[in-house]
Amino acid sequence: GAGVSQSPSNKVTEKGKDVELRCDPISGHTALYWYRQSLGQGLEFLIYFQGNSAPDKSGLPSDRFSAERTGGSVSTLTIQRTQQEDSAVYLCASVAVGEQFFGPGTRLTVL
Amino acid sequence: EDQVTQSPEALRLQEGESSSLNCSYTVSGLRGLFWYRQDPGKGPEFLFTLYSAGEEKEKERLKATLTKKESFLHITAPKPEDSATYLCAVRDSWGKFQFGAGTQVVVTP
Repeated sequence: GAGVSQSPSNKVTEKGKDVELRCDPISGHTALYWYRQSLGQGLEFLIYFQGNSAPDKSGLPSDRFSAERTGGSVSTLTIQRTQQEDSAVYLCASVAVGEQFFGPGTRLTVL
Repeated sequence: EDQVTQSPEALRLQEGESSSLNCSYTVSGLRGLFWYRQDPGKGPEFLFTLYSAGEEKEKERLKATLTKKESFLHITAPKPEDSATYLCAVRDSWGKFQFGAGTQVVVTP
């Protein structure tokens, strides 16, 4: 594809429900990152995948958050038992040498 | 711990009024300092990567420079279409990115 894609673009859910956010990185990029951006804030690192190495999960805010990357390509970020404070834009990025390309993000609203 | 601080938080410019944005950082093993532009409702758009002190890169009205402790993004003769939030990030030796909070730039005609 031409760039990083994310789906859905918007997700409204009720408190306590689980959600899955998807990221399709640029083909051939070995590194993939997830970030969270709250309204008017900078980007908060969540998790980082590099090739076949174990992911760096140090940014995940709680054990309700998890992510996987299948076949070194598509990644899914799962949030279990969503809370209102999880409302934010979730951004995915894939990395080539020297550049990081972002998707358009998924806006998550937890009611 | 890696830290990135951007200043000012917001900047209002008249069209044609040049200015600079600052990004100061501390990082263990710098593997690149990155500048991005972000428009409302969109993901950040890559602008530049700088790797070593003294390096400079230019793109249209934007010029990025790097020292051992900070980076500057110079906007020369800005136009209204340069209005955006500009984000700075550092990549450490582990491959992790740390972002600053951004500078919101508004350029008025």
